[in-house]
Amino acid sequence: DTGVSQNPRHKITKRGQNVTFRCDPISEHNRLYWYRQTLGQGPEFLTYFQNEAQLEKSRLLSDRFSAERPKGSFSTLEIQRTEQGDSAMYLCASSLTGGGNTEAFFGQGTRLTVV
Amino acid sequence: EDKVVQSPLSLVVHEGDTVTLNCSYEVTNFRSLLWYKQEKKAPTFLFMLTSSGIEKKSGRLSSILDKKELSSILNITATQTGDSAIYLCAVVNDYKLSFGAGTTVTVRA
Repeated sequence: DTGVSQNPRHKITKRGQNVTFRCDPISEHNRLYWYRQTLGQGPEFLTYFQNEAQLEKSRLLSDRFSAERPKGSFSTLEIQRTEQGDSAMYLCASSLTGGGNTEAFFGQGTRLTVV
Repeated sequence: EDKVVQSPLSLVVHEGDTVTLNCSYEVTNFRSLLWYKQEKKAPTFLFMLTSSGIEKKSGRLSSILDKKELSSILNITATQTGDSAIYLCAVVNDYKLSFGAGTTVTVRA
């Protein structure tokens, strides 16, 4: 499969626990994005990487959120000390070059439920 | 702050009807506008519109970009129940896609 892959697909966690999600982009894509989507809303931009460099992270929702892309391939999104308000679908997308003339393709998402 | 507004928020039609979805935007350094279809999973890419490609068509779906009015429409003709989904508009600036809230389309048999 050459699409964007996200794991796990679903995660249920207790409030206060840490969670980590993984995204494997399309192999030749150099840009990788993380979005969050809640019910009835469009995806909300969190952060993005150009290769291994995290070029924009000001939209990460709080200091409990962090993302890495250590070798410019897969990426992880970590949420520390989860809260019920973190319950959402977390989407990863990738694109080639990242310029405005290239479409972004999404993974299937990780649905997080904090209980 | 970048802004993307979609209308209507939702609509219900019968099979065979034509629907028109609207997207207006205010972003800095506009590069392109993308349309996605989202069923109960991640968004699926439909079209990309740019200054050099302001009209796209694929089967029963078509889209036009109006750069002067800062807007786009997505048309679906001869709708089918499989067209029921959320349709998302996203505008690309230098580095990110900014999404609207989406239009929920329900097609009844």
